[in-house]
Amino acid sequence: GAVVSQHPSWVICKSGTSVKIECRSLDFQATTMFWYRQFPKQSLMLMATSNEGSKATYEQGVEKDKFLINHASLTLSTLTVTSAHPEDSSFYICSARVASGYTSHNEQFFGPGTRLTVL
Amino acid sequence: QQPVQSPQAVILREGEDAVINCSSSKALYSVHWYRQKHGEAPVFLMILLKGGEQKGHEKISASFNEKKQQSSLYLTASQLSYSGTYFCGTEKAGGTSYGKLTFGQGTILTVHP
Repeated sequence: GAVVSQHPSWVICKSGTSVKIECRSLDFQATTMFWYRQFPKQSLMLMATSNEGSKATYEQGVEKDKFLINHASLTLSTLTVTSAHPEDSSFYICSARVASGYTSHNEQFFGPGTRLTVL
Repeated sequence: QQPVQSPQAVILREGEDAVINCSSSKALYSVHWYRQKHGEAPVFLMILLKGGEQKGHEKISASFNEKKQQSSLYLTASQLSYSGTYFCGTEKAGGTSYGKLTFGQGTILTVHP
């Protein structure tokens, strides 16, 4: 299956600092990547949709100035949590949607996730 | 709206069967099933498209009833490795979702020896 990587796998930072999380599709091109956050024992909540070469589309209630998304290439999207606060602590997961031609349908494959802890 | 999964949790002994349901109030284009183990990312199981298709892989299969906007995941002869939280992700029909998935609240499956 398609492989998606995330870096770092975990990060601990002080309140007020910014943290960048990378999401890479390793063996396929992904025109669209999605960013989710997940709180313990809860479902995945979509934060934004990232399309290569265009601005990200944010879900209602997600601050675009706080969660900066850049989709620089067909294999890389980054999420930067700016001025992080303890309430931003969560499990952040990206997924990459397989571009047509790789498979017959639009499967999404998830990265391993990044656990952010803000002190 | 978030699709509704049932049951919320199920406990099995190895070898038993289970069914997990996913219902949506919206017209759907596709349903995706994932399994997530504690502390890990969700792992893709299968995708079903509208048209009432069914799919299977080894002892895990699924169906999608387009008329009812419901999907069911069938786990037969469960193994210990099946334990985890199962999520369905639904993609709305209409062509404007760009692949966005809305996930159900999850079903916790525990398989005991």
